[in-house]
Amino acid sequence: GQNIDQPTEMTATEGAIVQINCTYQTSGFNGLFWYQQHAGEAPTFLSYNVLDGLEEKGRFSSFLSRSKGYSYLLLKELQMKDSASYLCAVLDSNYQLIWGAGTKLIIKP
Amino acid sequence: IAGITQAPTSQILAAGRRMTLRCTQDMRHNAMYWYRQDLGLGLRLIHYSNTAGTTGKGEVPDGYSVSRANTDDFPLTLASAVPSQTSVYFCASSDSEGTDTQYFGPGTRLTVL
Repeated sequence: GQNIDQPTEMTATEGAIVQINCTYQTSGFNGLFWYQQHAGEAPTFLSYNVLDGLEEKGRFSSFLSRSKGYSYLLLKELQMKDSASYLCAVLDSNYQLIWGAGTKLIIKP
Repeated sequence: IAGITQAPTSQILAAGRRMTLRCTQDMRHNAMYWYRQDLGLGLRLIHYSNTAGTTGKGEVPDGYSVSRANTDDFPLTLASAVPSQTSVYFCASSDSEGTDTQYFGPGTRLTVL
């Protein structure tokens, strides 16, 4: 079967750095997405990785290792507005997105 | 530019009733999707459409139907609602199927009693 694993919940301090991990086992791989979802709102796109390595976009970076079936999202200089759920999703061999359950990130002052 | 709109925002429905959730996008995207999101689970694909006039089944299609008469609209119908269909429903669209980013509507919170 297809499986995306992420931690259920993480807590971090304002101004700090946090890394949210995602491991996957899917039938085929055509890229990995990270989305942010604030409570009661729609998911919004953060990043897309299809090649191994680190993609940096402002305070957010995303890393992919296809051989290990592993990705992480790195958030720097955390702000209170970063409190949200972070969703990892893999595009499988049928070009359908398989979603993880999401990691709820709580930022404390 | 509205992006993607969904209606209604929320609905309480008696079991056995028929319900259509509406989704409209103004981005001229070819592909559209319906997901449901339940606590503790990832988004699950119900149905999709890669282009107007075509539809396909996702991971959890039973009890749902869709149509794609034109590019902009992609309604989701529950023919006879059951309590297990209580969920938050998100419509999404992308320029094409595959690697293009999906953009989501605000969601419809549906409760079936």
